[in-house]
Amino acid sequence: SAVISQKPSRDICQRGTSLTIQCQVDSQVTMMFWYRQQPGQSLTLIATANQGSEATYESGFVIDKFPISRPNLTFSTLTVSNMSPEDSSIYLCSGKETWDNEQFFGPGTRLTVL
Amino acid sequence: EDQVTQSPEALRLQEGESSSLNCSYTVSGLRGLFWYRQDPGKGPEFLFTLYSAGEEKEKERLKATLTKKESFLHITAPKPEDSATYLCAVRSGGYQKVTFGTGTKLQVIP
Repeated sequence: SAVISQKPSRDICQRGTSLTIQCQVDSQVTMMFWYRQQPGQSLTLIATANQGSEATYESGFVIDKFPISRPNLTFSTLTVSNMSPEDSSIYLCSGKETWDNEQFFGPGTRLTVL
Repeated sequence: EDQVTQSPEALRLQEGESSSLNCSYTVSGLRGLFWYRQDPGKGPEFLFTLYSAGEEKEKERLKATLTKKESFLHITAPKPEDSATYLCAVRSGGYQKVTFGTGTKLQVIP
């Protein structure tokens, strides 16, 4: 399967600031997703990143807080806006090569908000 | 709403001591059950997909099985390098959303 890289791998940010996480896949994928994984908890889907259109957000997540871009079939960004300590988490990018394939994941971005 | 429950939360085994991890699920129309392995500080690594009751898949010391209500991940003669968190996930209906369980943290002691 394709390989996903994420930047940055980790960051420590101040309350009220924003951070943009980049996700790069080494080949074209049909679908891309963004997940959050809080310490000791499972993965929670934030949104599906749609190429050339607005992302599809899950309940509890809004575009103003988590704006997402996907300009092409290999790249996406997630911005965490106006951060608070509750946003401290690992953010994971995921992709699928075809509709029925399994998802594969990037290494994650560990975010700490002070 | 799809639900996935994994047990136990944590499991400590001696090297060579075989055991099983459980994943119970509730979905409306299973379109795939997935097992992943996650090492500390890394993203989940795909292991298996199961689609229908009775299906089994194997990879080295791991074997995944599926019934209509649950899946098991059997670990035969585990080694310390099998230590990781094992995640179960399901996809249902026509949706692409995958629901994950909270995982079983496995520790294999030499």
